[in-house]
Amino acid sequence: AQTVTQSQPEMSVQEAETVTLSCTYDTSENNYYLFWYKQPPSRQMILVIRQEAYKQQNATENRFSVNFQKAAKSFSLKISDSQLGDTAMYFCAFMKHDEYSGGGADGLTFGKGTHLIIQP
Amino acid sequence: NAGVTQTPKFQVLKTGQSMTLQCAQDMNHEYMSWYRQDPGMGLRLIHYSVGAGITDQGEVPNGYNVSRSTTEDFPLRLLSAAPSQTSVYFCASSYSFLGVRYGYTFGSGTRLTVV
Repeated sequence: AQTVTQSQPEMSVQEAETVTLSCTYDTSENNYYLFWYKQPPSRQMILVIRQEAYKQQNATENRFSVNFQKAAKSFSLKISDSQLGDTAMYFCAFMKHDEYSGGGADGLTFGKGTHLIIQP
Repeated sequence: NAGVTQTPKFQVLKTGQSMTLQCAQDMNHEYMSWYRQDPGMGLRLIHYSVGAGITDQGEVPNGYNVSRSTTEDFPLRLLSAAPSQTSVYFCASSYSFLGVRYGYTFGSGTRLTVV
């Protein structure tokens, strides 16, 4: 079984600053996927960014980027030029890659989340 | 394109009652899963399915049943509700392409209270 740990229960930064959210995971799998999800007060779960473990290049999506360190089992999220609308819970999640079923068969394992507050 | 639709959005049950949380997706995704979210616990996997007719247990399956008779629908059944099942429930779907998995798309959730 795998575990996902987010060590920062809450973070607060000023608008326009850069913030980094930490995530570490533990797994014996070699091929897997990592995700960051955002949950604003509306409760909707929104996919922010996705990383394939077999790709060394770090994923980026506009202001969001990750620092993926496979050997260290670390997957941090960097938000540049933070905006008020970035205020939300952020969850790191793991999904294994199942070669026999064509790509994964056991859903997502989540961390407990980081509450990010962007101050005006 | 509705995505993942969950009904109802809110529900209050009495202890011992049974009910079914509905989940439907219109994206032809083969993978579906159910999660519960409790304060301070993140989301935990209840059951998942890798295609019609195939389901399996996740981290917290006790007290819940699922079935997947069609690609579109993945209902979650509470057999005899208990106060410990008070939670927010999310359904999600995902797909693969050329052997590569993509992220799950989530429904808007069902807030369930068992009294």
